[in-house]
Amino acid sequence: GAVVSQHPSWVICKSGTSVKIECRSLDFQATTMFWYRQFPKQSLMLMATSNEGSKATYEQGVEKDKFLINHASLTLSTLTVTSAHPEDSSFYICSAKDRSWFAGNTIYFGEGSWLTVV
Amino acid sequence: DAKTTQPPSMDCAEGRAANLPCNHSTISGNEYVYWYRQIHSQGPQYIIHGLKNNETNEMASLIITEDRKSSTLILPHATLRDTAVYYCIVRPTSNTGKLIFGQGTTLQVKP
Repeated sequence: GAVVSQHPSWVICKSGTSVKIECRSLDFQATTMFWYRQFPKQSLMLMATSNEGSKATYEQGVEKDKFLINHASLTLSTLTVTSAHPEDSSFYICSAKDRSWFAGNTIYFGEGSWLTVV
Repeated sequence: DAKTTQPPSMDCAEGRAANLPCNHSTISGNEYVYWYRQIHSQGPQYIIHGLKNNETNEMASLIITEDRKSSTLILPHATLRDTAVYYCIVRPTSNTGKLIFGQGTTLQVKP
């Protein structure tokens, strides 16, 4: 089946620095990708919709200047956490929709990226 | 998108069928029922989806009531590896792919 890959799987960064997480659709093109955040023992919370070639759409309460999203190609979206703080430590997950007819509009998720800010 | 209601947790004996219910009483005619699961520290995994007919694949079966207000995901022979959080989500196929997750059901498969 379709694969969505994230990199890195885990990252530790110092408070105040920025960190970039990549999300790639490996065998299909995705004009739209999604970024979620998940805190321990909680459900996934949608952060933003990443649109290829245009600005991302952020959910209410998510700071667009802190969580920069770039969707430069049909297979790659990046999430940059700027000026990271310990409260940004979380599990970040991306997803993409396979629009091909045989995929039935199924949405696939990446493996997730653990961010720890120290 | 329609809201779903699931029990917070369930137990199942290994080798037995696991039946996970989901209520979606406000589902619209153009909305599908999707099931995903999330094993600890991994991204969600697609399981199955359906509109109004029952569906079956290599992972599970999906039974949707005639009025479409509820559904049941069936894992026919649960294994320890099926221990996960199971999410029931409804969304229209015209949706770009945005999924709104509820709290899901934590299924614990016990030996």
